[in-house]
Amino acid sequence: EAQVTQNPRYLITVTGKKLTVTCSQNMNHEYMSWYRQDPGLGLRQIYYSMNVEVTDKGDVPEGYKVSRKEKRNFPLILESPSPNQTSLYFCASSFGEKLFFGSGTQLSVL
Amino acid sequence: GQQVMQIPQYQHVQEGEDFTTYCNSSTTLSNIQWYKQRPGGHPVFLIQLVKSGEVKKQKRLTFQFGEAKKNSSLHITATQTTDVGTYFCAGTGGYQKVTFGTGTKLQVIP
Repeated sequence: EAQVTQNPRYLITVTGKKLTVTCSQNMNHEYMSWYRQDPGLGLRQIYYSMNVEVTDKGDVPEGYKVSRKEKRNFPLILESPSPNQTSLYFCASSFGEKLFFGSGTQLSVL
Repeated sequence: GQQVMQIPQYQHVQEGEDFTTYCNSSTTLSNIQWYKQRPGGHPVFLIQLVKSGEVKKQKRLTFQFGEAKKNSSLHITATQTTDVGTYFCAGTGGYQKVTFGTGTKLQVIP
C-alpha cells in the first residue's frame, strides 16, 4: 500500500532534549517536505527536499534540521526543542504537485 | 513572499445547506490544489486546477480557479455530516513553491 509513515504519533518532551521525527515513503517520490500545523495558521512549510542530498528551507525553518541520505527517508530533527515548537507536524511526499501526507506527529515541548 | 489567504476561518451550517470557502493569493499561481482534513486526520488531496477560469466538479463539490489565477473557491451543495473537516487550498507559485491557505473549518449540524 502506498503510504507515508511518520513516527512517533505523539511525543512529549522537555526543552532542550534533542529529538528526531522519522518519515518514510514507499512511492519512490523525489520530493518530500515537512509542515507544521497551528490553529489559525494553516500548514506552514518547514523544509523540503527535491531529491537525495538536496534540501532547502521553507517558510519556518528556524530551530529545525533535516537530512535526505536516502530517497525514502526524510527525518526532522529538533536539536534543542523549545515550547514554541509545540505543534502538529506532517511529513509529505509528492510526484508532481499532489501531496501525500503522513498521519502526523503531535509534539509537546514542556 | 507568496501569501495565500482563505476565508472564512470557520463555518457552521445546517445539514442540507450549501457551503463555500474562498482562497486568495498575493501572486499569480501556476495551479491550485484543494485538500480536506477530517478531524484528527491528515490532509487528503481532493483536486488540482491548472487553467485560468477552470471549473471542476466532484459530485456535490464544485471547484473554480479565477481568470487571473489568483483566487479559487470550493462550493459544496447540500452539505452532509460526512463533509465535516477543514478544507485547505494550496497554491503553486514561482520556483514551484507551494503555499497553503489558512484553512476553513466546516461544522455541519444534523
